[in-house]
Amino acid sequence: DTGVSQDPRHKITKRGQNVTFRCDPISEHNRLYWYRQTLGQGPEFLTYFQNEAQLEKSRLLSDRFSAERPKGSFSTLEIQRTEQGDSAMYLCAGRSGGVSYNEQFFGPGTRLTVL
Amino acid sequence: AQSVTQLGSHVSVSEGALVLLRCNYSSSVPPYLFWYVQYPNQGLQLLLKYTSAATLVKGINGFEAEFKKSETSFHLTKPSAHMSDAAEYFCAVSDHNQGGKLIFGQGTELSVKP
Repeated sequence: DTGVSQDPRHKITKRGQNVTFRCDPISEHNRLYWYRQTLGQGPEFLTYFQNEAQLEKSRLLSDRFSAERPKGSFSTLEIQRTEQGDSAMYLCAGRSGGVSYNEQFFGPGTRLTVL
Repeated sequence: AQSVTQLGSHVSVSEGALVLLRCNYSSSVPPYLFWYVQYPNQGLQLLLKYTSAATLVKGINGFEAEFKKSETSFHLTKPSAHMSDAAEYFCAVSDHNQGGKLIFGQGTELSVKP
């Protein structure tokens, strides 16, 4: 158990609907990362926060995607007007400290299926 | 830009045999390298990491990896495979000039035959 939780674990939605995922890291995780993993691929970086500040967004994060971490604790990832290509596993990871070799602790992921 | 290449999307070994999963990296700066394991429908768990200290790194579950700068490699090994080792394994490099995000390889699925 990494201490990082994600909700929901599975989400099935119809194309065009909006979905929101939540990630709860432990309190020591001042950095929080979102990744997307499609079938048979490694996770790809989407965005990350240091406390409540969103410091980087990947080109993969289109205008339909938005992420927040309002109080520097939990984070949400929203996808508007979902498309079938959004079907993937969405992983979040928490990390403490300011050095890049500190371990990222991953949650179990949210598997999104867009019909 | 940093990148990771994992050679072999699928590796099959017999129980008790040597496990060797290959990873090569590209980095313009000294890299921080990681191996993660993922079981079906679960998140990723860290096996081990290289942070420029010892080049031979020991991890959990009997795995180890050796950093070879001359070969730009960070291969993962385990002397004797166990059935419970069957999983997906990912090599990753930390982009420590850009917030520490992880750049992953495409993964290697390890199967263990009885």
